[in-house]
Amino acid sequence: DIQMTQSPSSVSASVGDRVTITCRASQGISSWLAWYQQKPGKAPKLLIYAASSLQSGVPSRFSGSGSGTDFTLTISSLQPEDFATYYCQQANSFPSLVTFGPGTKVDIK
Amino acid sequence: QLQLQESGPGLVKPSETLSLTCTVSGGSISSSSYYWGWIRQPPGKGLEWIGSIYYSGSTYYNPSLKSRVTISVDTSKNQFSLKLSSVTAADTAVYYCARQPYDIWGGMDVWGQGTTVTVSS
Repeated sequence: DIQMTQSPSSVSASVGDRVTITCRASQGISSWLAWYQQKPGKAPKLLIYAASSLQSGVPSRFSGSGSGTDFTLTISSLQPEDFATYYCQQANSFPSLVTFGPGTKVDIK
Repeated sequence: QLQLQESGPGLVKPSETLSLTCTVSGGSISSSSYYWGWIRQPPGKGLEWIGSIYYSGSTYYNPSLKSRVTISVDTSKNQFSLKLSSVTAADTAVYYCARQPYDIWGGMDVWGQGTTVTVSS
């Protein structure tokens, strides 16, 4: 099974800050990586798919990069509505053997 | 606008079978472009993929749950369902259903609101 790790596990940031979250796969997954945002009590929301493709309707301040084993999600200028938990998800064997990272909580500094 | 809605008992006794249904509205579950999945989230923890199904009935399960999970589809009702047998307290979670389009590299673009299932006697 492919294991996913994320760092940091939490980050405190201010509105306007640039925030970068890293996701690492235990083996190469090409670009089979998605990023989600989840707010308390809500379902996850797809932000990025194929490692760097922005989902329709998602603000352009969100961007993704990477391939193989190392990936990043960047929020270029943090907005109040961006305080949430972010998960990466790999689907290298799509539609089977999907796994999520443990999450990164972005909270207010 | 496609919507997914989970339904089922909110309380299940230990050793019994958890049964949930996801109703798809605003679109057809029989489209060849999508897989349909179940994901769960224990209280205060992260997301766990349970399994996925194609409209034809092909299924894909998390190996850690495979012995206890059955996912099925009813195209006439535009629904797919989850059964998890021999539940324990560790199966207490919010259960989500979601759509996985074929063309977005495994991303899940539409989610239900989630339903909380508690395993307790």
